[in-house]
Amino acid sequence: NAGVMQNPRHLVRRRGQEARLRCSPMKGHSHVYWYRQLPEEGLKFMVYLQKENIIDESGMPKERFSAEFPKEGPSILRIQQVVRGDSAAYFCASSPPEAAKNIQYFGAGTRLSVL
Amino acid sequence: RKEVEQDPGPFNVPEGATVAFNCTYSNSASQSFFWYRQDCRKEPKLLMSVYSSGNEDGRFTAQLNRASQYISLLIRDSKLSDSATYLCAVGSGGYQKVTFGTGTKLQVIP
Repeated sequence: NAGVMQNPRHLVRRRGQEARLRCSPMKGHSHVYWYRQLPEEGLKFMVYLQKENIIDESGMPKERFSAEFPKEGPSILRIQQVVRGDSAAYFCASSPPEAAKNIQYFGAGTRLSVL
Repeated sequence: RKEVEQDPGPFNVPEGATVAFNCTYSNSASQSFFWYRQDCRKEPKLLMSVYSSGNEDGRFTAQLNRASQYISLLIRDSKLSDSATYLCAVGSGGYQKVTFGTGTKLQVIP
């Protein structure tokens, strides 16, 4: 049973380009969460999705950031027109359907570097 | 007040020592509690869930104090390999949204 898979592991973009980060949850998990972590800082919640639904996007910047979790395929975190301040580690986590067991399992993360 | 607060440390302790971390949370309706471990430049990994009755896993013991709204993690007989950042996580609200603390850094020294 593969864990949470994120790709790419490292992504380099120039300012103004788009970044697409992918996350495949653990088998049987239908909840996906995205977090951002700046160096020496904590995890900042960005968005919580279930299949085809955004449940909570209270941590997403209002502009340039979007997320989806389609019926088929991985969850995608998309950052348009990246700026240097977007450089960070982006972690995806998944949890099983039962709300009472909302233990989150993390992927290895995508480290985004904006030049 | 932050939803979840931790002392950032660092805690520098000698091998074999016992060390304890606390984590306070602001939402009295919180229902789920966890400790995660994060190594440098790696993803957080679940260390243990925290139950009302407290729980123990080898050298690690977690406690929940609902009255004072904090959870604790006790590590006995510290090993060099315990050096990491320890994150507490608290679930609140309708879907038990999990909020992470900023982490407490532990350095076990020989």
